[in-house]
Amino acid sequence: NAGVMQNPRHLVRRRGQEARLRCSPMKGHSHVYWYRQLPEEGLKFMVYLQKENIIDESGMPKERFSAEFPKEGPSILRIQQVVRGDSAAYFCASSHDGSNEQFFGPGTRLTVL
Amino acid sequence: GEDVEQSLFLSVREGDSSVINCTYTDSSSTYLYWYKQEPGAGLQLLTYIFSNMDMKQDQRLTVLLNKKDKHLSLRIADTQTGDSAIYFCAPAKLNKFYFGSGTKLNVKP
Repeated sequence: NAGVMQNPRHLVRRRGQEARLRCSPMKGHSHVYWYRQLPEEGLKFMVYLQKENIIDESGMPKERFSAEFPKEGPSILRIQQVVRGDSAAYFCASSHDGSNEQFFGPGTRLTVL
Repeated sequence: GEDVEQSLFLSVREGDSSVINCTYTDSSSTYLYWYKQEPGAGLQLLTYIFSNMDMKQDQRLTVLLNKKDKHLSLRIADTQTGDSAIYFCAPAKLNKFYFGSGTKLNVKP
């Protein structure tokens, strides 16, 4: 049973470009969560999605950031017009319906030049 | 939101016990988790405790919860060099996790 998959593992973008981060949850999991980890800090919640629905986006910056979890395919975290402050590790986690136990992916490390 | 505090560093000798402490502010957290993060890797779930429990033991790991003081601890018995990592405390409520800044455990041979 494969774990949570994230790709790419490392992503380099120049200021103003777009970053697209993908997350495939564990098999059978329909809940996906995105977190951001700045250097030397803990993870900060960004958004919680179920298939085709955003359940809680209280941690998402108001502009440039969006997330989706379509009926088919991975969840996507999209950052438009990236800035240096977006450089961080972005982690995805998934859980089974009704379960609090979240399983984390290896993360995508975004570097903005 | 929830504020979660952890000390930043802990250094122990191999074979000793390690105790990593965590305080939090939201007494309505229903589950409290401990995760381990090795360099460049994601988070590995170590153990968790329900908020109506005060202790949970799982092999070398013991979790203690003092709900009144909102204090959680993780004890690792017979600490090994492979336990060197960052440990995150994460109280959770309604599928939302709140992470501390992590405690970096250094195990000296």
